[in-house]
Amino acid sequence: EVQLLESGGGLVQPGGSLRVSCAASGFTFSSYAMNWVRQAPGKGLEWVSTISGSEGRTSFSDSVKGRFTISRDNSKNTLYLQMNSLRSEDTAVYYCAKATLYCGGGLCYDGAFDMWGQGTMVTVSS
Amino acid sequence: DIQMTQSPSSLSASVGDRVTITCRASQGISNYLAWYQQKPGKVPKLLIYAASTLQSGVPSRFSGSGSGTDFTLTISSLQPEDVASYYCQKYYTAPLTFGGGTKVEIK
Repeated sequence: EVQLLESGGGLVQPGGSLRVSCAASGFTFSSYAMNWVRQAPGKGLEWVSTISGSEGRTSFSDSVKGRFTISRDNSKNTLYLQMNSLRSEDTAVYYCAKATLYCGGGLCYDGAFDMWGQGTMVTVSS
Repeated sequence: DIQMTQSPSSLSASVGDRVTITCRASQGISNYLAWYQQKPGKVPKLLIYAASTLQSGVPSRFSGSGSGTDFTLTISSLQPEDVASYYCQKYYTAPLTFGGGTKVEIK
């Protein structure tokens, strides 16, 4: 069974740091790009960051660029999000999500998010 | 960056009604468009990818159409279990922006 399980959320003061993790199982983790998506209380979905499967190429939303780092340990089937200089507006449920991989005509690209974890709550408050 | 604009932000319809949600990209994105359903208190679920391809296990009353900048999610006959928020998302190139969401309720 494909499963994603986030952990590491909690309460942190403004300016503080936190690392959340996502343990994956049931699929070949290293073959797929992985993502972090967040949802502030009562708000919509916001894409945060992506890391490619094997090359480790990363991208970030403008709202977290320079403060957050995404990484993965393919030997442990685990995805990480290191969050520094946290602000109140970073308060949200953080979901990890697996991207699909589409291949055709000799080209492959990362697609929509077909599997999501249950999320971990991060609260930034004094 | 490409912006994704959904409309309406909310709607109320009767069971059995045909419901249409639109998503507009500020620039052309070919068919690199997905739709997600998020029921209250639940995790988002992929409904449609490549603008019109139904994800495995999704009921056939859901359909998607469009290409370029204008996209549509249609529920052909609204059911009580379809009460949820629906989000479009562009993919393929970052940023992988979501639309603002559409909340669907039963009248």
